[in-house]
Amino acid sequence: GAVVSQHPSRVICKSGTSVKIECRSLDFQATTMFWYRQFPKQSLMLMATSNEGSKATYEQGVEKDKFLINHASLTLSTLTVTSAHPEDSSFYICSAQVGSTDFSYEQYFGPGTRLTVT
Amino acid sequence: GQNIDQPTEMTATEGAIVQINCTYQTSGFNGLFWYQQHAGEAPTFLSYNVLDGLEEKGRFSSFLSRSKGYSYLLLKELQMKDSASYLCAVMDSNYQLIWGAGTKLIIKP
Repeated sequence: GAVVSQHPSRVICKSGTSVKIECRSLDFQATTMFWYRQFPKQSLMLMATSNEGSKATYEQGVEKDKFLINHASLTLSTLTVTSAHPEDSSFYICSAQVGSTDFSYEQYFGPGTRLTVT
Repeated sequence: GQNIDQPTEMTATEGAIVQINCTYQTSGFNGLFWYQQHAGEAPTFLSYNVLDGLEEKGRFSSFLSRSKGYSYLLLKELQMKDSASYLCAVMDSNYQLIWGAGTKLIIKP
């Protein structure tokens, strides 16, 4: 099956620093990758959609200058949280979409990254 | 607006059957997904329905009625490991996933 990895799985950083999270599709090429954040006991919140080689599309209310997304290749997307603050502490999950098949646009999720900003 | 509704929490007994409902109102429809999410982990794919009817996959089945904007996930022979949140998500006309808030399923011995 399709496997998506994320690195790091957990990160603790000090307020004001930047953190980069990598998302890789290991055995397939992803036309589109998605970045979500999830607060405790809440559902996934889509932050942005990225296509390889083009600028990410951010959801309303998500600051593109704070959450930098780079989709450099069909197997790698990165999310950089710049000047992190405690309120950015969350569970960040990426997913990769293979693209259209006959009926499915299934997304494969990475294991998530737990970010704690102190 | 777009809306996905599912119960917040359900409780069931080990070995029993439970049905988790999901109703949706979206701009367009390109399929409905069910995901399972254990606490602290990312979601894992369970099922995908784009045509009306029942899709069976082992202990899990998913049903879709597009005319009613309704789906359910049926879990049979419940096991303790089935305790998790179950997320319903609909792909709209822009091929974006609209997520429900999830149903927390508690399995009791």
